[in-house]
Amino acid sequence: GAVVSQHPSWVICKSGTSVKIECRSLDFQATTMFWYRQFPKQSLMLMATSNEGSKATYEQGVEKDKFLINHASLTLSTLTVTSAHPEDSSFYICSAGGGPTYEQYFGPGTRLTVT
Amino acid sequence: EDQVTQSPEALRLQEGESSSLNCSYTVSGLRGLFWYRQDPGKGPEFLFTLYSAGEEKEKERLKATLTKKESFLHITAPKPEDSATYLCAPCLNTGNQFYFGTGTSLTVIP
Repeated sequence: GAVVSQHPSWVICKSGTSVKIECRSLDFQATTMFWYRQFPKQSLMLMATSNEGSKATYEQGVEKDKFLINHASLTLSTLTVTSAHPEDSSFYICSAGGGPTYEQYFGPGTRLTVT
Repeated sequence: EDQVTQSPEALRLQEGESSSLNCSYTVSGLRGLFWYRQDPGKGPEFLFTLYSAGEEKEKERLKATLTKKESFLHITAPKPEDSATYLCAPCLNTGNQFYFGTGTSLTVIP
């Protein structure tokens, strides 16, 4: 399967600051990338879908002004958590997809802790 | 309303003790049903895609099957390294998004 990387793997930031997470598709061109959030002992919750070169589509209840997503190329998508607060602490995972089989290949995740 | 339910929530097996995990779904239109394995602190790892009722796929000790309302992940003679959370995700034919079930946490005891 395809290889997807995320950077950083973990980050600690202070409340009120912004954090950017990068998601890279290393060996295939992903027309679509997805961002998920996972709280402890819970499943993955889809936050948004981004298509290369266009605005992201956010799931209901996800604040688009707080979670800024940019998908500038077929291999890179970024998620910026703006004015982070402790309740934003979570495990953020991206995936790359958009192929004819609809499979998604996931990154290793980024652990965000907001103090 | 589209729903995905996985059962059981947790399963403890002795090494070699076969069992099945269930994924029940109620969706308006299914493009495909995906199974993933997730280890703690890591992203999900792709296992299988099933597209139509009656389809089966196998990989080592795992076999996935699909009906119109549910999918099963059969684990034959599991080993401790099969311990993980197994997630199913229907993909709706209205788009390409996945909506994950709550997962089954499998522990295989040596």
